[in-house]
Amino acid sequence: DVKVTQSSRYLVKRTGEKVFLECVQDMDHENMFWYRQDPGLGLRLIYFSYDVKMKEKGDIPEGYSVSREKKERFSLILESASTNQTSMYLCASSAFGTSGKYTGELFFGEGSRLTVL
Amino acid sequence: GESVGLHLPTLSVQEGDNSIINCAYSNSASDYFIWYKQESGKGPQFIIDIRSNMDKRQGQRVTVLLNKTVKHLSLQIAATQPGDSAVYFCAENSGGSNYKLTFGKGTLLTVNP
Repeated sequence: DVKVTQSSRYLVKRTGEKVFLECVQDMDHENMFWYRQDPGLGLRLIYFSYDVKMKEKGDIPEGYSVSREKKERFSLILESASTNQTSMYLCASSAFGTSGKYTGELFFGEGSRLTVL
Repeated sequence: GESVGLHLPTLSVQEGDNSIINCAYSNSASDYFIWYKQESGKGPQFIIDIRSNMDKRQGQRVTVLLNKTVKHLSLQIAATQPGDSAVYFCAENSGGSNYKLTFGKGTLLTVNP
């Protein structure tokens, strides 16, 4: 089974702190994603990466950065946390589609609930 | 722009009834759709998918219907059980090599015993 592991389930940080959210997948997937999930807004894509050291902005990248130094690991960084970044953060991975058989299914981690005070 | 929406934000059904969760999408170029289930405190889990060259696909107790004419997707759950209580998301993939999915806002399904 695909496993996507997020390092922290619950974090509480203060405004202005630097926050690292770590995600590791064990299925050799090329694509990795960070979403945030808020009530009434659904899942919104922050950043994604389709290869080591590659990254692309999603729909709401402001206030975030990412790092992909190894294929299995994708980190989300909040350089200076703010209260409006209080949210559930979901990491996901998927295989790269190079044939007609691949679909695009995302495999999600359990989520990291961040509270910024 | 691309968007995926849901007709009903909440749905309450009796145990044993059939459930239907609807989803509208706006990108006619989308060629692949997925339904995800998210239980409280967990990440979304894949339920069933369908490609745009199909109009119906069945799984175990679940059926997904795709109507490309009106850009509508539905998830049918037969004999709904308490364990089906969750938020259900539809997602569309408008293509591209990175397979970025666009998610709807979700429908909360509550199953009453």
